Amino acid sequence: GAVVSQHPSWVICKSGTSVKIECRSLDFQATTMFWYRQFPKQSLMLMATSNEGSKATYEQGVEKDKFLINHASLTLSTLTVTSAHPEDSSFYICSARAQGRGLHYGYTFGSGTRLTVV
Amino acid sequence: RKEVEQDPGPFNVPEGATVAFNCTYSNSASQSFFWYRQDCRKEPKLLMSVYSSGNEDGRFTAQLNRASQYISLLIRDSKLSDSATYLCAVIRTASKLTFGTGTRLQVTL
Repeated sequence: GAVVSQHPSWVICKSGTSVKIECRSLDFQATTMFWYRQFPKQSLMLMATSNEGSKATYEQGVEKDKFLINHASLTLSTLTVTSAHPEDSSFYICSARAQGRGLHYGYTFGSGTRLTVV
Repeated sequence: RKEVEQDPGPFNVPEGATVAFNCTYSNSASQSFFWYRQDCRKEPKLLMSVYSSGNEDGRFTAQLNRASQYISLLIRDSKLSDSATYLCAVIRTASKLTFGTGTRLQVTL
């Protein structure tokens, strides 16, 4: 149980375009999902917390107008990288915890999206 | 100071060796603690939660020391398949999971 599906797995886009990444919880409901970014040889950095039915909360230094998050249902959160630039090239990963599940179960991660902006 | 710190390694050990990783966290209000394993270009996968009483899962043993604010992971009888990056993670507030930089392990023949 607790499977998170993330699409696409990889995407190459031109500078200036927007890219949408989807994160779905397949067998559980998630009122909260988290979006991380990981640059090569670095750790996962939390970008924002996605809240179902309300605005996302962003970590310090993350531009909310550039990284648009929508969490319209209990099983789907999307991250849109707007006006992408080469420096946005990174590995983006979502995660979620099943509603009602204790913290000690940890979080389940999507398989990640490798974004390359050319 | 980073919220979660780990020695990045790499740790190069022969098959069969025992290897230990440590991780320190800065905020005493941290609630939950984990070790994740991440293979190259893949998502992290939960290895085990960490409790003050210590917990063991086969060749893996995790320990939490709240007084000193560190977490440890011991891997016995290392296998080639254990080669990966091991990330320690803590939950502090608002259920946010914060990761350390990860420790790279390379097990060799």
